[in-house]
Amino acid sequence: DTGVSQDPRHKITKRGQNVTFRCDPISEHNRLYWYRQTLGQGPEFLTYFQNEAQLEKSRLLSDRFSAERPKGSFSTLEIQRTEQGDSAMYLCASGLYYEQYFGPGTRLTVT
Amino acid sequence: GQQLNQSPQSMFIQEGEDVSMNCTSSSIFNTWLWYKQDPGEGPVLLIALYKAGELTSNGRLTAQFGITRKDSFLNISASIPSDVGIYFCAGQHLETSGSRLTFGEGTQLTVNP
Repeated sequence: DTGVSQDPRHKITKRGQNVTFRCDPISEHNRLYWYRQTLGQGPEFLTYFQNEAQLEKSRLLSDRFSAERPKGSFSTLEIQRTEQGDSAMYLCASGLYYEQYFGPGTRLTVT
Repeated sequence: GQQLNQSPQSMFIQEGEDVSMNCTSSSIFNTWLWYKQDPGEGPVLLIALYKAGELTSNGRLTAQFGITRKDSFLNISASIPSDVGIYFCAGQHLETSGSRLTFGEGTQLTVNP
């Protein structure tokens, strides 16, 4: 069990640029989640995949955000035209049923 | 939407002391999870609870799912320095909010050796 991995761990970008993050879930897990966490807060749900189908999306996921899980394995989260308010830790989690196991996160800083 | 109130916000204790923290909600959940997060890392799952009234232990950690389904608590016995971190509760209710977890704001635990 290698755990959930995320890449990159840190990303610094200028406002207006596009960024893409990758998540590799635990291999036998069919459910994959994205959350966002700002300083001093608990994670907030963004979106959920079961296999390759995106089943749930939060209202937090504006039209600048898009997530994919093309073959039901790894997932990508893209943010277009980044804004300073997008600065946060982006967390990926995977699971089989009710439990969710988190990766180490990608820390995004928008300057 | 659903909100979780987690208390206390922070705790400062001596090594060897027991710790108790809790989480309350305005609405019911059918799964409660407790996580620990270290700085710059993702949350690590500690305990999962699935039934009202359930009491579950994991080493020095014990958690309970409240009878009303609106609360949960976590106890840590005989604390050690590596218990330092932020503890989060998270609730899930498939019928009303799907698979998403709703998190509390965390309890920051500091253990003085």
